[in-house]
Amino acid sequence: DQQVKQNSPSLSVQEGRISILNCDYTNSMFDYFLWYKKYPAEGPTFLISISSIKDKNEDGRFTVFLNKSAKHLSLHIVPSQPGDSAVYFCAASFTGTASKLTFGTGTRLQVTL
Amino acid sequence: DAGVIQSPRHEVTEMGQEVTLRCKPISGHDYLFWYRQTMMRGLELLIYFNNNVPIDDSGMPEDRFSAKMPNASFSTLKIQPSEPRDSAVYFCASSSTGGGGGNTIYFGEGSWLTVV
Repeated sequence: DQQVKQNSPSLSVQEGRISILNCDYTNSMFDYFLWYKKYPAEGPTFLISISSIKDKNEDGRFTVFLNKSAKHLSLHIVPSQPGDSAVYFCAASFTGTASKLTFGTGTRLQVTL
Repeated sequence: DAGVIQSPRHEVTEMGQEVTLRCKPISGHDYLFWYRQTMMRGLELLIYFNNNVPIDDSGMPEDRFSAKMPNASFSTLKIQPSEPRDSAVYFCASSSTGGGGGNTIYFGEGSWLTVV
């Protein structure tokens, strides 16, 4: 049973526009959420995270929004650039423990010229 | 600094053969994770170690899979016998504080396994 779901396997956005990647989770005990970015033939790399005590975290062009009541988070990329084309994985974890990350299935973002 | 190093990068093997994937974590990291990436399930955690001790192996799919960490700088994931459905990318990752609480884990480049 997938506890972290990314229902859109792919997304295509024009350069300069906003990219919005979505993620849903089922376990209300998750209290820390992360986004990882993966280029072909490379391992995933950490992008941005958010704690459940916040509803927004911003880092440059990347902003993550968390809606705890809906068990939903989203990653906004503004403006999108061709170099952002990659697979984005949403992940969730529990704070206070040295525990594992539970990942979604990923969304492939393609930023077109 | 060297990142997480995995070998082999690519492996093609016949069904029934034994496959051994290797990982060298980042020096000083005391958590090591093995993940498997498939289209259907994304990144699944197979097993993780803390200070060379297996902590959670609930993600290991079957008894055909085994993992060891004989010392702080080396781990193996073994599949015996291998089956076509094991074809996937296997990632090793390490961390100095575990994967919870927003602590970043660092991934290797992956081992692409194809079982024919």
